Amino acid sequence: DVKVTQSSRYLVKRTGEKVFLECVQDMDHENMFWYRQDPGLGLRLIYFSYDVKMKEKGDIPEGYSVSREKKERFSLILESASTNQTSMYLCASSFPPQKTQYFGPGTRLLVL
Amino acid sequence: EDQVTQSPEALRLQEGESSSLNCSYTVSGLRGLFWYRQDPGKGPEFLFTLYSAGEEKEKERLKATLTKKESFLHITAPKPEDSATYLCAVQDPGSSNTGKLIFGQGTTLQVKP
Repeated sequence: DVKVTQSSRYLVKRTGEKVFLECVQDMDHENMFWYRQDPGLGLRLIYFSYDVKMKEKGDIPEGYSVSREKKERFSLILESASTNQTSMYLCASSFPPQKTQYFGPGTRLLVL
Repeated sequence: EDQVTQSPEALRLQEGESSSLNCSYTVSGLRGLFWYRQDPGKGPEFLFTLYSAGEEKEKERLKATLTKKESFLHITAPKPEDSATYLCAVQDPGSSNTGKLIFGQGTTLQVKP
């Protein structure tokens, strides 16, 4: 079974803090994705990576950066957290050519 | 514009009352349509992938079908544990190598005992 894990289920941070969200997959998948999910807005793609050290912006990259130093690990970084980044963050991975994305359990982030 | 639209937004059923969820898409050259189930506070769980019109897949009380313009998720004799949000997604035709998906807004299903 594919397993995608995220470092925290719940996180509370202060405005201005630097926040790291970690995602690890154990299936040697090439592609990894970070989404945020908000009520009424659905899943929105923040960044994705199709290979180690390769990354591309998604639909809402502002205020975020990512790092992929190893194939199995994809990190999302909030450089200076703001209250409008309070959200559910979901990581996913997939293996071409099937394209099926497998999701982690999510991290619910609250920025105060 | 490539788009995925799900209907209805919310659906309430009595236990045992069969129904269907709709996912309509407007992409050029479908390369894959995906159904997921999402429980509150959790990540989406993969259900099915469909690739070509006429294809059908089943899992327990769920059956997914695909035409050239839409997909249906049929739920036969649902139980309360089928209550969840069901998400539909298609592969972004502009990103065949990276596996980007375009998601619909989801249908929230509630099955009452």
